[in-house]
Amino acid sequence: GQQLNQSPQSMFIQEGEDVSMNCTSSSIFNTWLWYKQDPGEGPVLLIALYKAGELTSNGRLTAQFGITRKDSFLNISASIPSDVGIYFCAGFNDYKLSFGAGTTVTVRA
Amino acid sequence: ETGVTQSPTHLIKTRGQQVTLRCSSQSGHNTVSWYQQALGQGPQFIFQYYREEENGRGNFPPRFSGLQFPNYSSELNVNALELDDSALYLCASSTPGGLNQETQYFGPGTRLLVL
Repeated sequence: GQQLNQSPQSMFIQEGEDVSMNCTSSSIFNTWLWYKQDPGEGPVLLIALYKAGELTSNGRLTAQFGITRKDSFLNISASIPSDVGIYFCAGFNDYKLSFGAGTTVTVRA
Repeated sequence: ETGVTQSPTHLIKTRGQQVTLRCSSQSGHNTVSWYQQALGQGPQFIFQYYREEENGRGNFPPRFSGLQFPNYSSELNVNALELDDSALYLCASSTPGGLNQETQYFGPGTRLLVL
């Protein structure tokens, strides 16, 4: 199946810091999505990207759809404690989402 | 709140048993996809239903089957349960977009434990 490489695997950040994570793939995708998942819950959509080169913001979150359509990044600015969780990238092609392995974010107060 | 609901929230079964999980899609969505998420991993695609037909399938054996009803709700059935089927089962609803673009919204999941 399609493999998405998501990095870093985990990160500890100080409250107020900016954080960045990214996702790369050997396959081209027409949609890139970023989700956040809390323990025991389903993934919640943060940002959806539909066009190569597109840069989209949602509050303190900013994500970009790479020009090659094989990568995407997510930035979180001015981290707060509720940013704790697991962030997943996902690419959509042919009726299915392919997910990265997730980035676990822990915020130090 | 995505408007996608799943039941039950938790379930314990023993090896060899059968299980049925249910999903109601978000209002206005006609497509339901099912994913399996093992602990510490990203979700893996099982299959998708569109207008009551299976629209695509991932690398899962035939003992994983599904249904979609006229109101777009869906069921996932798993026969002959194995220990490795223990996972969080996620349902996502969507409406197919043009140019192979689609945004899927997830429910809270059903946690299945097979003993």
